[in-house]
Amino acid sequence: SAVISQKPSRDICQRGTSLTIQCQVDSQVTMMFWYRQQPGQSLTLIATANQGSEATYESGFVIDKFPISRPNLTFSTLTVSNLSPEDSSIYLCSVVIVGVGNQPQHFGDGTRLSIL
Amino acid sequence: QKEVEQDPGPLSVPEGAIVSLNCTYSNSAFQYFMWYRQYSRKGPELLMYTYSSGNKEDGRFTAQVDKSSKYISLFIRDSQPSDSATYLCAMSGRQGGSEKLVFGKGMKLTVNP
Repeated sequence: SAVISQKPSRDICQRGTSLTIQCQVDSQVTMMFWYRQQPGQSLTLIATANQGSEATYESGFVIDKFPISRPNLTFSTLTVSNLSPEDSSIYLCSVVIVGVGNQPQHFGDGTRLSIL
Repeated sequence: QKEVEQDPGPLSVPEGAIVSLNCTYSNSAFQYFMWYRQYSRKGPELLMYTYSSGNKEDGRFTAQVDKSSKYISLFIRDSQPSDSATYLCAMSGRQGGSEKLVFGKGMKLTVNP
């Protein structure tokens, strides 16, 4: 199966700054996604990362706050901008390697973000 | 009513016990059903992937889907301390031209030696 690498694995950031998270896969994938996982909550889809075009955002998430890039089939970045304490969470990328539609999805180990 | 409801747990069992994890759902469009296992400080790992109603077995794990009752289960036989993790159910289906994977909140399982 594919190796999905996320960097950084964790970070502590100041309010008002931004953090960019990278997701690299070692094989070609059909789809890439970004999720947020908050304690006691379901995984929440932020957006679908589209190769070479703007990401598709879910309700409640906007490009200005969560800009996403996907320059090729195996790499994507998520930036969390203008950080506030409410952004403290785990951010996960997922990919579809071989499947139907948007599943099954395979996940990276996540980025644990804390805001001071 | 939430689209996917998962027993909240936590659940603690002795080693060797049979574990039953359950989720219910409300969206009839769901066709694909998954169970993920998530160890502490790790991402969710795909454990079982099934389509439509019926049972699927993989070693000590059995996934069961009952679409008529909108109910899915994961059974773990001869549970081991290494099974201690959070288990997430997830399901997907096409509706209104789009498809989204919807997760339960997860249940934390502890298997005591």
